[in-house]
Amino acid sequence: DIQMTQSPSSLSASVGDRVTITCQASQDISNYLNWYQQKPGKAPKLLIYDASNLETGVPSRFSGSGSGTDFTFTISSLQPEDIATYYCQQYDNLPPTFGQGTKLEIK
Amino acid sequence: EVQLVESGGGLVKPGGSLRLSCAASGFTFSSYSMNWVRQAPGKGLEWVSSISSSSSYIYYADSVKGRFTISRDNAKNSLYLQMNSLRAEDTAVYYCARDKEYSSSINWFDPWGQGTLVTVSS
Repeated sequence: DIQMTQSPSSLSASVGDRVTITCQASQDISNYLNWYQQKPGKAPKLLIYDASNLETGVPSRFSGSGSGTDFTFTISSLQPEDIATYYCQQYDNLPPTFGQGTKLEIK
Repeated sequence: EVQLVESGGGLVKPGGSLRLSCAASGFTFSSYSMNWVRQAPGKGLEWVSSISSSSSYIYYADSVKGRFTISRDNAKNSLYLQMNSLRAEDTAVYYCARDKEYSSSINWFDPWGQGTLVTVSS
């Protein structure tokens, strides 16, 4: 199975800050990488697909980049409603696997 | 509006069985692959199983292979997960999630249902 390693595991930032989360795959997955947001008590929501494509309706402050084994998820200006846990997920190989999650908190 | 509503969760003893259902609405269910993804309490996300639009392609995580069976009824816009020989480690919220249209492989999970809690305990 492909291992997905996210860092950091948790992050505290202030409103308006630029926030970056990284995700590293244990082998080359091209751009077959998605990012999800899960707010407390809610189901996850797809934000970014194919590494850099913004899902319809998702604010433009969210972005993704990368290919191969190294990927980055960025919030350009953190908003209070962005408090959530973020997960990366690869689908290059079966089984699809998720990173362990990054819990984002407001400082 | 696309909607997925899971049901069938509950408390079951180790070794028992449970059948989860997912009712879909707001889209052409028969055109989409569907998935089950679970989340143990306080833990991350784990893909469980996937079924293609016409049920031609079915995949399982190793952790559930031989115990769980995914199926769908396109006439009823419904997805199912039959869970047998349940173990304590199967305790989780189970989500159904739509995949890409007309795909035989797994791509993404979007949208997700609200989830149904399965607790395996004596």
